[in-house]
Amino acid sequence: DAGVTQSPTHLIKTRGQQVTLRCSPKSGHDTVSWYQQALGQGPQFIFQYYEEEERQRGNFPDRFSGHQFPNYSSELNVNALLLGDSALYLCASSFSKGVANYGYTFGSGTRLTVV
Amino acid sequence: QKEVEQNSGPLSVPEGAIASLNCTYSDRVSQSFFWYRQYSGKSPELIMSIYSNGDKEDGRFTAQLNKASQYVSLLIRDSQPSDSATYLCAVNGGYGGATNKLIFGTGTLLAVQP
Repeated sequence: DAGVTQSPTHLIKTRGQQVTLRCSPKSGHDTVSWYQQALGQGPQFIFQYYEEEERQRGNFPDRFSGHQFPNYSSELNVNALLLGDSALYLCASSFSKGVANYGYTFGSGTRLTVV
Repeated sequence: QKEVEQNSGPLSVPEGAIASLNCTYSDRVSQSFFWYRQYSGKSPELIMSIYSNGDKEDGRFTAQLNKASQYVSLLIRDSQPSDSATYLCAVNGGYGGATNKLIFGTGTLLAVQP
């Protein structure tokens, strides 16, 4: 049973460019959350998708956007990249029961470097 | 005040000793508490969750929760060099049991000396 799959594993982009990161949730999970982890920091919540809609959002600018597909997979898009966007981007999948999430599982992450 | 606070360390303990990791949180309505282990360059791995006041034991790990003091701790008995990692404390940011997002501390780096 595959866990949470993220792609690509590493990415190097130039300032001002746009990037798309992808996440396939664990089998049986219907909810995807995205986190940004800068070096030496804990993960910071970006947003969560459920039923193809953004359900909750953290304190991130509109340059960060996402999408969830009917098969529950998700994309994270970042526009106008800044050097400060360099981080490990983590996807976590879970299943929702009412407003609660269960089985929170992290993927291995995408390391984004902006130069 | 940060929502979840941890001592960044490093916390250095000899092999076989007990490692004690601490975490405080600011939101009194938090319901769920988690400890994650993260090896360098890897993703966080859940090692313990706790929801009620008191102790919860799982193998060499014991999580302790005191909601009145807004304090969570993790004890690692018989520490091994393979336990050397960053330990992240995370708190459920939702209300009434909702776990829509996790709020993490900055992590404590644990180094177990052989």
